[in-house]
Amino acid sequence: GESVGLHLPTLSVQEGDNSIINCAYSNSASDYFIWYKQESGKGPQFIIDIRSNMDKRQGQRVTVLLNKTVKHLSLQIAATQPGDSAVYFCAENTSENAGGTSYGKLTFGQGTILTVHP
Amino acid sequence: KAGVTQTPRYLIKTRGQQVTLSCSPISGHRSVSWYQQTPGQGLQFLFEYFSETQRNKGNFPGRFSGRQFSNSRSEMNVSTLELGDSALYLCASSDIRHTDTQYFGPGTRLTVL
Repeated sequence: GESVGLHLPTLSVQEGDNSIINCAYSNSASDYFIWYKQESGKGPQFIIDIRSNMDKRQGQRVTVLLNKTVKHLSLQIAATQPGDSAVYFCAENTSENAGGTSYGKLTFGQGTILTVHP
Repeated sequence: KAGVTQTPRYLIKTRGQQVTLSCSPISGHRSVSWYQQTPGQGLQFLFEYFSETQRNKGNFPGRFSGRQFSNSRSEMNVSTLELGDSALYLCASSDIRHTDTQYFGPGTRLTVL
């Protein structure tokens, strides 16, 4: 049959604005979460990660928030720049170091397209 | 350190053929995972190798296989190609002694005609 492409959520912002990208995850046993950025023609690029024993982690211009109660993850990008335009993916895993057996398997969200207008 | 490298970057094959893709992980990384990315299904896990052993496998048919060598380089093979195998195949490596973070290569774009 005919395949239907994923309809990715989109977020369009002006340069300098703050961006918030959301992600709902499915596995309550997941204890490790990562955000990736993927530009056209490239592989996913690591942005930031967080473990389930934290609810917030900050990097350079980025902050990840984790709400385990509602299984929700968000990525905040401060002072968004045109170079931030890309598809952003959240991913989850049950980490090996925590006794998980889902070796090497990241489960990805569908992705969000971020477009930053100059 | 050099990043994850994948060869070739682009491939065009016809239905029924087979293909082998190669991945060289970041130096010191011994875990290699493979993913298939398509517009319809997104990013899906194929399998993971560590110390030349497949430890985990995703929900793909047996036509998809892989292996890992003693230097941690990995290959994946797809036999009897189908049109639906057209995708971006991504390899990721991880130093699982210290972190669960996976670092991705640029991918191999496979087109099946």
